[in-house]
Amino acid sequence: GNSVTQMEGPVTLSEEAFLTINCTYTATGYPSLFWYVQYPGEGLQLLLKATKADDKGSNKGFEATYRKETTSFHLEKGSVQVSDSAVYFCALSDNTDKLIFGTGTRLQVFP
Amino acid sequence: DGGITQSPKYLFRKEGQNVTLSCEQNLNHDAMYWYRQDPGQGLRLIYYSQIVNDFQKGDIAEGYSVSREKKESFPLTVTSAQKNPTAFYLCASSPRTPKLGEQYFGPGTRLTVT
Repeated sequence: GNSVTQMEGPVTLSEEAFLTINCTYTATGYPSLFWYVQYPGEGLQLLLKATKADDKGSNKGFEATYRKETTSFHLEKGSVQVSDSAVYFCALSDNTDKLIFGTGTRLQVFP
Repeated sequence: DGGITQSPKYLFRKEGQNVTLSCEQNLNHDAMYWYRQDPGQGLRLIYYSQIVNDFQKGDIAEGYSVSREKKESFPLTVTSAQKNPTAFYLCASSPRTPKLGEQYFGPGTRLTVT
């Protein structure tokens, strides 16, 4: 079946460091891919998305490229801030009304 | 302001009692969802509804029930049959665009059962 695998956290970085959070997927067909972010005690917010191969989603300095050949959608940011501390979820839509989520990766950024 | 509201934010119940969590949206979305979140396990789908008066079980529906009498509302009842009900519950909605699959989430309800 379809699935999403994320790197385990926590990821701990100093402010202004480069961030990569790995995400790979297993799916039939051509899923849409998403990154959601969850700040402490809150619901999830859509961070970025890509709907076809080679698309790059970007928002708030974060970006991710849909790589069909490696079935990956890694999240990157060039310079993280303390305010980026949160849990990040990779997800896929197999073109039904359901999303399949990874287990989440906690990011902690220290000044 | 359009969005999804969940109430209450924190809920405490004694074991053996049923409890209903509220979810309301004014985004005019057709589809609504309930997820359960436990530490280290990500989100697991409990129930979802694509249209009024219709809903489907998700991956962990046992011990839960839902209704969808209005487009705006999708309440979740956690019954006494749910063996481990303490968790963070998230409601979401989507405009039912299969290709995009984008969902919008409420702020969540943290349920503690003792």
